[in-house]
Amino acid sequence: DAKTTQPNSMESNEEEPVHLPCNHSTISGTDYIHWYRQLPSQGPEYVIHGLTSNVNNRMASLAIAEDRKSSTLILHRATLRDAAVYYCILRGGEYGNKLVFGAGTILRVKS
Amino acid sequence: GAGVSQSPSNKVTEKGKDVELRCDPISGHTALYWYRQRLGQGLEFLIYFQGNSAPDKSGLPSDRFSAERTGESVSTLTIQRTQQEDSAVYLCASSFGARSSADTQYFGPGTRLTVL
Repeated sequence: DAKTTQPNSMESNEEEPVHLPCNHSTISGTDYIHWYRQLPSQGPEYVIHGLTSNVNNRMASLAIAEDRKSSTLILHRATLRDAAVYYCILRGGEYGNKLVFGAGTILRVKS
Repeated sequence: GAGVSQSPSNKVTEKGKDVELRCDPISGHTALYWYRQRLGQGLEFLIYFQGNSAPDKSGLPSDRFSAERTGESVSTLTIQRTQQEDSAVYLCASSFGARSSADTQYFGPGTRLTVL
């Protein structure tokens, strides 16, 4: 019961921006929004996280809706290496320290 | 720098045998987590350690599964009397353990367990 909803899959062209949506309508006030990704045959890796404000780091940007019921992970220029399963995860509250993974979004990048 | 390491990378065992999987977390990380990922599925939480204590064991699927951590470092996940449904990749993660929802987890490469 991950309490986030993501599209099953998305496709992007190389060097184009990608917007990966996530709905979390039951988010509580203290829940952080985390994004992890899992490349083929590897363990998950952290991408970005935020609470209320939009966040940027070297990998991606995270845009959080004003009501916090949805968020969007933005990859500014997709590369073939970005092909992975992307997980949007709520952290805190009833889940404590563990990460509760849903099915995620499979991102395919075309050259 | 050194990341989370796990051994063995692959383990093939016969049904009914016991197996031990090892995790070496990042130095200085007080929190350690075990997850399981069956083929084609998402990750399932198994157990969480803070230091050498396990405040959350809620994901362990049966009493055949146990884990311990010593010296606030290495952890071992033990599966007794393995069954075919135990076949999966077992992933370990560690974090600074700041008891914060902003804490980032760093994952190891996993151990692929196959039970024949």
